[in-house]
Amino acid sequence: GQQLNQSPQSMFIQEGEDVSMNCTSSSIFNTWLWYKQDPGEGPVLLIALYKAGELTSNGRLTAQFGITRKDSFLNISASIPSDVGIYFCAGQLYAGNNRKLIWGLGTSLAVNP
Amino acid sequence: GAGVSQSPRYKVTKRGQDVALRCDPISGHVSLYWYRQALGQGPEFLTYFNYEAQQDKSGLPNDRFSAERPEGSISTLTIQRTEQRDSAMYRCASSLDANEQFFGPGTRLTVL
Repeated sequence: GQQLNQSPQSMFIQEGEDVSMNCTSSSIFNTWLWYKQDPGEGPVLLIALYKAGELTSNGRLTAQFGITRKDSFLNISASIPSDVGIYFCAGQLYAGNNRKLIWGLGTSLAVNP
Repeated sequence: GAGVSQSPRYKVTKRGQDVALRCDPISGHVSLYWYRQALGQGPEFLTYFNYEAQQDKSGLPNDRFSAERPEGSISTLTIQRTEQRDSAMYRCASSLDANEQFFGPGTRLTVL
């Protein structure tokens, strides 16, 4: 099925470093969502973006909805070991009653204490 | 319940058998989604419901896959005549407002 371009595919960083990842699409979206998935668990929503240009923070996490509506980025500041996991972006285009999410392939983050 | 629940958590079956996977969404959630997730990959959309109506089934791989949500709450994903390539984690999610989706723990299906 259709999936978003998410990069980087994986990152290995030192504790305390900042992290940045992004997603791009050939289609425009009404909503961008960022999820984190821990091993053996389902994805958990981190940040939701509803408006082009919107910049939203959740603690050490900051995400932006690109003004073209075709991209989004997620930044994590001052990383800590519990940030380890796979981060997914997801885009949603409202088309009538359709609320299907299109997902990125994920960014795997490893943090060295 | 407090969250989305799925059963069984693990299912091992022989090729050719039918399986039924159950999802119990968060009470009151209108939308229910089924995904399939391969190891190290993002969720792959299968189908979704608003109340009891199946709004989109474009992600179902073939006609061996079907889903229902007859009373607008619990949903069942059925795979007939299972094949080894059907082995995957099947995840269900529910949503109140069509934005934030809450995921269940998944059912790990293994077809021998």
